[in-house]
Amino acid sequence: DAGVIQSPRHEVTEMGQEVTLRCKPISGHDYLFWYRQTMMRGLELLIYFNNNVPIDDSGMPEDRFSAKMPNASFSTLKIQPSEPRDSAVYFCASSSETGANVLTFGAGSRLTVL
Amino acid sequence: GQQVMQIPQYQHVQEGEDFTTYCNSSTTLSNIQWYKQRPGGHPVFLIQLVKSGEVKKQKRLTFQFGEAKKNSSLHITATQTTDVGTYFCAGLRNFNKFYFGSGTKLNVKP
Repeated sequence: DAGVIQSPRHEVTEMGQEVTLRCKPISGHDYLFWYRQTMMRGLELLIYFNNNVPIDDSGMPEDRFSAKMPNASFSTLKIQPSEPRDSAVYFCASSSETGANVLTFGAGSRLTVL
Repeated sequence: GQQVMQIPQYQHVQEGEDFTTYCNSSTTLSNIQWYKQRPGGHPVFLIQLVKSGEVKKQKRLTFQFGEAKKNSSLHITATQTTDVGTYFCAGLRNFNKFYFGSGTKLNVKP
């Protein structure tokens, strides 16, 4: 398995633009998580899905953030409109209960909003 | 708010010295996991502790889970430059929601 695949790896955009981050979880994993990492706030859980259904989105900062999982092999995190304070590394991770809930992280998407 | 506290925030050691990071939760955890993130990399799973008072070893790394399942520690004996990175604990309280600690950044001077 190629692991959790995220794209893009780096994105630089201007304030007000829409940003879409993508994630392909490990095949067979039924949980998918979106985390945001910054120096100030560390690793924050934004939202997680179980079997493609959002379970807990209490970490989503505000309405500008939305996440979808249309099928078991794909998820998106969208920011519209983006702001400079959204600059961070966004990680996608997946896990399965049969795998003892171990999180496998993707390489991350580094977002810079100017 | 922060659910799991981790100390210290930074640790600089000379190669060969020992290193310990501590993780504390205000509530009882179902289990705890430890991850390592190399500079510029992503968190990678190290180990999971489930039982009260559990101790596990991986070569020079020793992991402990407190009797009350509210705290945990990671101890590295005789650090090497390959140990450089940030070590995170992640506590599971319910379902699959893991609360990550703030991490301890370890720097090892050769």
